Parts: sequence; structure tokens; C-alpha cells
Amino acid sequence: SQQGEEDPQALSIQEGENATMNCSYKTSINNLQWYRQNSGRGLVHLILIRSNEREKHSGRLRVTLDTSKKSSSLLITASRAADTASYFCATDFYNAGGTSYGKLTFGQGTILTVHP
Amino acid sequence: DGGITQSPKYLFRKEGQNVTLSCEQNLNHDAMYWYRQDPGQGLRLIYYSQIVNDFQKGDIAEGYSVSREKKESFPLTVTSAQKNPTAFYLCASSIENTGNTEAFFGQGTRLTVV
Repeated sequence: SQQGEEDPQALSIQEGENATMNCSYKTSINNLQWYRQNSGRGLVHLILIRSNEREKHSGRLRVTLDTSKKSSSLLITASRAADTASYFCATDFYNAGGTSYGKLTFGQGTILTVHP
Repeated sequence: DGGITQSPKYLFRKEGQNVTLSCEQNLNHDAMYWYRQDPGQGLRLIYYSQIVNDFQKGDIAEGYSVSREKKESFPLTVTSAQKNPTAFYLCASSIENTGNTEAFFGQGTRLTVV
């Protein structure tokens, strides 16, 4: 079963607006990562946030993590048409023994469309 | 240029055939992964390898096989036992297991059964 679930499934905005995507997960995580996928291409890593971090920034990206709610959000500020893509969260979580599985589990993604 | 290369980009398979997808990386990464992506879906893990000569099943390993004889190579064979192989296949690698590091992805192979 997939660990991360993104919300919304699709998001359509105008250039210049902010885009917020959410990710919820089920079990304790080691880290949470966000990836971007242009249509028909491979995934590109955007940002990694560890379980002991609450917020990280990278350029126009802001990621928050709330481990008590088992959720994360990705904010893209001042969006551009070139931001049009699918965005996935991925978690590397712990097994019952408290060690990392060492593999990423992906959600189903949010399709973001930014209109010029 | 360092990176991860998948080939071919497009692959057509007849019913009952085995086909092998290539994945090569020159990033000196220990860990490699194979994912399957269906239209409008997320990625599902098929197999992963954290070190040469060792690999583990992912969530949907049935009908697939892999080998990891060299650090830089992690080929995936889609066997005739895989009943619905049409999908987009993505290979990834990371310095170590993804407990601490990001994954780097290839550009994918689109497999179609004809």
C-alpha cells in the first residue's frame, strides 16, 4: 500500500499565484521528500525534510512537516507556467524494529497546471 | 556527465515474451531501484538493491526479475508471468539507501504489449 497520499489530486492556478500541495502518511518516517515529474519524464528531486525538522526552504519552495499530524505541505510561491508538472511526496519510513527500510514509498501525486 | 541512463526509451513486447530493461549509472551509487508507473498513478516499487550482489523485492515483484552483478548496472526483466506489463518503468539510484539521501531518476522506459 502507498504510504503517502497527496491532496489535491489536481490543482489549476494562474501565473503569479501560490500553489499548495499536501501529503499525508501513515507510519513513522525517517524523512519525507518531494519530487517533480514533467509529463513522460523521470522524477527530479526538489527537497528532503527530516523527521526532526519542521520547515525547509529552497528558492520559491517551502516545505513544512508536522509529524504529530503525519502530514507535509509543499508551497510554490509566485508560480510560473514552467512549474506545470506532477508533484509527488515520498517517504522513507521505519520498520517495527526502528530502522529505516531504505526505500522510498511514493504517493499518487498532485497534477499542477499553471496558466500563463 | 554523471547520471543514470535507461534504455530503450520505448519497448514493444509480444504476448509471452520476456524483455529486459537496462539501467546504468555512473554516479558511484550503492543503491538502485526499479519503479513502475501506471497512467495517473504514483510510483510502485518493484525491486531494490542496496549493494552489489544483493537485492530485495518491493511491493509488486511478481512477474519481474533483476540482477545486480555490477555496481553501475541493475537490469530489470519483465517476464511472461507479468500479466499486465504495459507501463512506464523508472530506474533510480542513491548514494546509500534513501534514509538520508535523495534518489536520482532515469528518463524512463515505456513498455507496451502488442
